[in-house]
Amino acid sequence: ETGVTQSPTHLIKTRGQQVTLRCSSQSGHNTVSWYQQALGQGPQFIFQYYREEENGRGNFPPRFSGLQFPNYSSELNVNALELDDSALYLCASSRTPHEQYFGPGTRLTVT
Amino acid sequence: DQQVKQNSPSLSVQEGRISILNCDYTNSMFDYFLWYKKYPAEGPTFLISISSIKDKNEDGRFTVFLNKSAKHLSLHIVPSQPGDSAVYFCAASARGTSGSRLTFGEGTQLTVNP
Repeated sequence: ETGVTQSPTHLIKTRGQQVTLRCSSQSGHNTVSWYQQALGQGPQFIFQYYREEENGRGNFPPRFSGLQFPNYSSELNVNALELDDSALYLCASSRTPHEQYFGPGTRLTVT
Repeated sequence: DQQVKQNSPSLSVQEGRISILNCDYTNSMFDYFLWYKKYPAEGPTFLISISSIKDKNEDGRFTVFLNKSAKHLSLHIVPSQPGDSAVYFCAASARGTSGSRLTFGEGTQLTVNP
């Protein structure tokens, strides 16, 4: 177990709605990254936060946004949900530049 | 543009034998490579990593080999155990100004038969 927690575990939303996913990083880790994993694919990098600032972004539209708080926990917000947003959303925390430790994920279903 | 590729969607081996999982990459800026294991309904679990300055790293039953000229790495599991059955992801990262993002392959489903 990594010590990274995510909430909620599952949720179902309707197309056009907004969603907020939450992540608590492992103690001592100041960097949080978010990934989207579609069925049958590897995780895709959304963005990373380091000390409350965005520190890199993948190929995702602006309706995917995030925050990191002073305690290094983080939120992922997705506006105007689309059917293709249905996926497992993974949060990973790290203290060193490369090795990232993942939480269990949030399964989002958009109908 | 799939920069990290795992060409074998699945692999089946007998308990006690060696499992070899392969991964190829195209981006020459990658300088750190990792392997993760994923069980259903769980997040990926870090297994082992290797820096581009090395060609081998070993941790118990797990060994990762890196061939930079071929842009190829492999994970060896010896001996394989039924509990190793999972999806294995290869990931790579590059030093840069845009954070230490990981680029993942598509994964290989390993099944170890008793």
